[in-house]
Amino acid sequence: AQSVTQLDSQVPVFEEAPVELRCNYSSSVSVYLFWYVQYPNQGLQLLLKYLSGSTLVKGINGFEAEFNKSQTSFHLRKPSVHISDTAEYFCAVSDRGTNAGKSTFGDGTTLTVKP
Amino acid sequence: GAGVSQSPRYKVAKRGQDVALRCDPISGHVSLFWYQQALGQGPEFLTYFQNEAQLDKSGLPSDRFFAERPEGSVSTLKIQRTQQEDSAVYLCASSRLAYEQYFGPGTRLTVT
Repeated sequence: AQSVTQLDSQVPVFEEAPVELRCNYSSSVSVYLFWYVQYPNQGLQLLLKYLSGSTLVKGINGFEAEFNKSQTSFHLRKPSVHISDTAEYFCAVSDRGTNAGKSTFGDGTTLTVKP
Repeated sequence: GAGVSQSPRYKVAKRGQDVALRCDPISGHVSLFWYQQALGQGPEFLTYFQNEAQLDKSGLPSDRFFAERPEGSVSTLKIQRTQQEDSAVYLCASSRLAYEQYFGPGTRLTVT
């Protein structure tokens, strides 16, 4: 079985400051890793994904994440946030086998960017 | 292009009523997923289709939940005899590649 833990339920930050949203996972098999963003009353939008190769993954809107296999982490970072980044962020994992589409999600981190 | 659409966007049902939630995936997407998102939580997997075949329904919480995709395109999630604990947002996602899912806006179900 897989699980995802998002270590911070809420992260307040001032505009133009850097931010890190933390995600740890557990799985007995090799995994794919994802970060999604969800704006109010909308579905989830994929920010970035780790499939293989370089452990530093760049996504949309200036976000990036680093896969650390030894620490089973996939933290999301942005060097300078904007007001428009205020949203809910979800980390997710799926295994590489036949169930590759069946994702397990964390409970989310609410990012609030203040002026 | 058109994304994943879901209807209705909001549904209020009285306890004991049956409901049907519709998902229109992106054209050509073979895989379709249903998730349930309770308030303040992340989405939880319900079921997965590849074309018209339901390959995994391990996440359906009870036999009151039923999903179908008869022609390999549109999918319907049906909940019989709704209970208050069924109140949640139901998300549909489709994909051409299993690991790259595109989500619809969801249907918010409120059972009173």
